[in-house]
Amino acid sequence: ETGVTQTPRHLVMGMTNKKSLKCEQHLGHNAMYWYKQSAKKPLELMFVYNFKEQTENNSVPSRFSPECPNSSHLFLHLHTLQPEDSALYLCASSPHVGNTEAFFGQGTRLTVV
Amino acid sequence: SQQGEEDPQALSIQEGENATMNCSYKTSINNLQWYRQNSGRGLVHLILIRSNEREKHSGRLRVTLDTSKKSSSLLITASRAADTASYFCATNGGETSGSRLTFGEGTQLTVNP
Repeated sequence: ETGVTQTPRHLVMGMTNKKSLKCEQHLGHNAMYWYKQSAKKPLELMFVYNFKEQTENNSVPSRFSPECPNSSHLFLHLHTLQPEDSALYLCASSPHVGNTEAFFGQGTRLTVV
Repeated sequence: SQQGEEDPQALSIQEGENATMNCSYKTSINNLQWYRQNSGRGLVHLILIRSNEREKHSGRLRVTLDTSKKSSSLLITASRAADTASYFCATNGGETSGSRLTFGEGTQLTVNP
């Protein structure tokens, strides 16, 4: 256990559905991240939050909408996704945004049908 | 542009042998980190080496960093079947990446019993 918990672990959704991914960390970290991991591709950083404020949006389509109500919780709201959005979505946290290690959750395996 | 690139993409060895994985990167860094990922799971941080360090050890892991060649290597000694996983290098800092972690595509290590 890394102290970062993601739910659900698996999600199958249709292209017209709306769903949300949840991430929670109990490490007292101030920075949280969403990454996308597709087959045969490097991890792609999607969003960065520092002290609940979004500090980076890596040109992510608007059908992905992040929300960070506090430093311990991070959500990724999904709507009208495409089949190519199927991937492993990983949440991570770190003490602060900077030169420190990241702690990852187990990921949500998303399949868009 | 992609920062960390691991080599080889796949490595298969026998239990007890040593495994060496290499990582090259393009721009200056503040530190380089190695992560491990079991199939379909989250990433686990293994070791962080700072740009002013040349070598670091942690248990059976040995990491080297050559900033003049912009390369790093991860050595796992006396490998075990449980070491089977994907291994990623990630660079942190530098002119183009700022404070974000930029991952390579990973090396898939298989340790045969």
